[in-house]
Amino acid sequence: DTGVSQNPRHKITKRGQNVTFRCDPISEHNRLYWYRQTLGQGPEFLTYFQNEAQLEKSRLLSDRFSAERPKGSFSTLEIQRTEQGDSAMYLCASSPRDRPTYNEQFFGPGTRLTVL
Amino acid sequence: ELKVEQNPLFLSMQEGKNYTIYCNYSTTSDRLYWYRQDPGKSLESLFVLLSNGAVKQEGRLMASLDTKARLSTLHITAAVHDLSATYFCAVDMIVGANNLFFGTGTRLTVIP
Repeated sequence: DTGVSQNPRHKITKRGQNVTFRCDPISEHNRLYWYRQTLGQGPEFLTYFQNEAQLEKSRLLSDRFSAERPKGSFSTLEIQRTEQGDSAMYLCASSPRDRPTYNEQFFGPGTRLTVL
Repeated sequence: ELKVEQNPLFLSMQEGKNYTIYCNYSTTSDRLYWYRQDPGKSLESLFVLLSNGAVKQEGRLMASLDTKARLSTLHITAAVHDLSATYFCAVDMIVGANNLFFGTGTRLTVIP
């Protein structure tokens, strides 16, 4: 399967704990996005990487959140000192470099975070 | 701030019937995407609309884009149960991150 993969698929944690999610984009896709989706809502943009560079961050990405893409391939999203409001589905998407005029994004299965 | 509004939010329709989902957005953009999401699953790309007047069709679904009216429609023809899902439209910001702004989704239930 050459689609976007994410791990873990589910994560249950206690408030105050740190969690880290991983995303493996489609091979050779240079653009990588993180979104957050809460129940009954559409995905909301969190942050964007082009290769290894983090080029944009949403105001939703508080200082407890950090994302990396160290070698321009997989990416990690870490949430420190989790709060119950962080409970959501975290989606990763990637898009290829060879489509400069539009940006169809391919989504992974998501990581569902529950903070108790 | 960009707004993307879909209506209806919930749609229950009988098999065999036709219906249209509407997506209005508040910015100038000629790039509009439709996605499908099944419960507990991720988003599947359905259509990419890249210009005013663009029309795409796949099976029982047809999407169109009117950039002057800032409106896209997703038309369902002769609905079948397998089409039950949540449908999202998303607008491409074009500049910067090119991130997508999603509507709130339309939850479609097709009743046999």
